[in-house]
This record gives sequence, C-alpha cells and structure tokens, in this order.
Amino acid sequence: QSVLTQPPSVSAAPGQKVTIRCSGSSSNIGNNFVSWYQQLPGTAPKLLIYDNNERPSGIPDRFSGSKSGTSATLGITGLQTGDEADYYCGTWDSSLSTVIFGGGTKLTVL
Amino acid sequence: EVQLVQSGAEVKKPGESLKISCKGSGYIFTNKWIGWVRQMPGKGLESMGIIYPGDSDTRYSPSFQGQVTISADKSINTAYLQWSSLRASDTAIYYCARQRGSWYGDAFDIWGQGTMLTVSS
Repeated sequence: QSVLTQPPSVSAAPGQKVTIRCSGSSSNIGNNFVSWYQQLPGTAPKLLIYDNNERPSGIPDRFSGSKSGTSATLGITGLQTGDEADYYCGTWDSSLSTVIFGGGTKLTVL
Repeated sequence: EVQLVQSGAEVKKPGESLKISCKGSGYIFTNKWIGWVRQMPGKGLESMGIIYPGDSDTRYSPSFQGQVTISADKSINTAYLQWSSLRASDTAIYYCARQRGSWYGDAFDIWGQGTMLTVSS
C-alpha cells in the first residue's frame, strides 16, 4: 500500500483530455514539491513534471501539473495512442525521510 | 549527452552476493545525488536510497535500511547497489536515477536503463 494514492487506471479516447490525481498528506505532498513520471511499457521511467508544474526541456505542453493542499494532479490533453503508459507521482516524505511514489496509474487510450 | 548506464542483467541463487553498477557521464558526477529505485514484477516504483558521490553521504529508505548497501566511486563516476545475501524476493528491476537539484528530495531527471535481477534456486 503506497503512501500516495493514485487511481489504478484511467482511460479516454484519442484527442481527449485526462487527469490523474495523487493524494497524500501534510508530511509529503502538503509540504513538498511533486513530480510526475511516465513509464512506457518495457522502459525506464521518464520525468514529465517537477516542482508541481514545471516541464523539463522536451516535454510537450500537452502535459501539465498542479497541486492543491495534499493532492496533485497530472493533466494530459490531446491524447495520443503513444501516451499509453503507467504514470507515477513522487515527492519527499518528511516523516519517512525518503522519496516516495504513488502506486501508479495505467492510462489506456481507447 | 547526460546519461546513466547500468550493468547488465543478473541471474543469481539465494544466498549469493551481488553488486550492480551505474555509470554517469555528460555531467559533473560528484554534484548530483544518485538514487536507486526498485520495481518488482508488475509493481510500482520504490525508492531504496540515495548517495551523494561527492562525499558518499548516503541515506536509506526505512524499508531498505540494512538490506542493501549503496556506495560510489567518484574516480570512475560510478554508483553501486550491493547485496550480501540475496533472496528470491529481491527479484526485480533496479533503476539508478539522478536527482535534478541540489537536495536529496528532488525529482529524478535522468534514469538508467535498469538492471534486471532474477534470484532463483
């Protein structure tokens, strides 16, 4: 059971928008930056969002992040079949003194 | 190009020891924290611990404290993850990843390709 809670799966049609929520507590999301990672099948994770809403160079603006209180949200617009992947949120947990990840959300583009 | 290149897949028996590696290039290796992340078959990501190669300051996640050893050799830009006695439950893919900022809680911006470990009798 992960400290950060994500829905196991989400789905949407090509071209549509999807959001993935990550819920935590004051010891993690509430007082620390959140990052998001994309893991395509059979590959290493890739950083999509850092510091709640910043995109690394090369990440399209179809991907966005936000945070409110003890929850964070990843948004993906203009869905493509190539976006089918597992998505993980991550942050620092001040009580555990470690980086923690959500359980992951599998995105299906129907 | 900034990259982390990990050692190859391993097949070991329970009770055996193992050390896997992660070599950084394209940046100043001693200036960024390197973390190790476990992914068990069909499961999510788990942070195991992190090391600052500049001075070998190491922090372990509570679940992995005492179970593994993280080290680094800054002379060859390489970080290591080591087991003294493997168990079947150590079967997983292990990723090394670089933290983007100057502190150990930052996001992981560069990932190695992963090292698959299979422990079976």
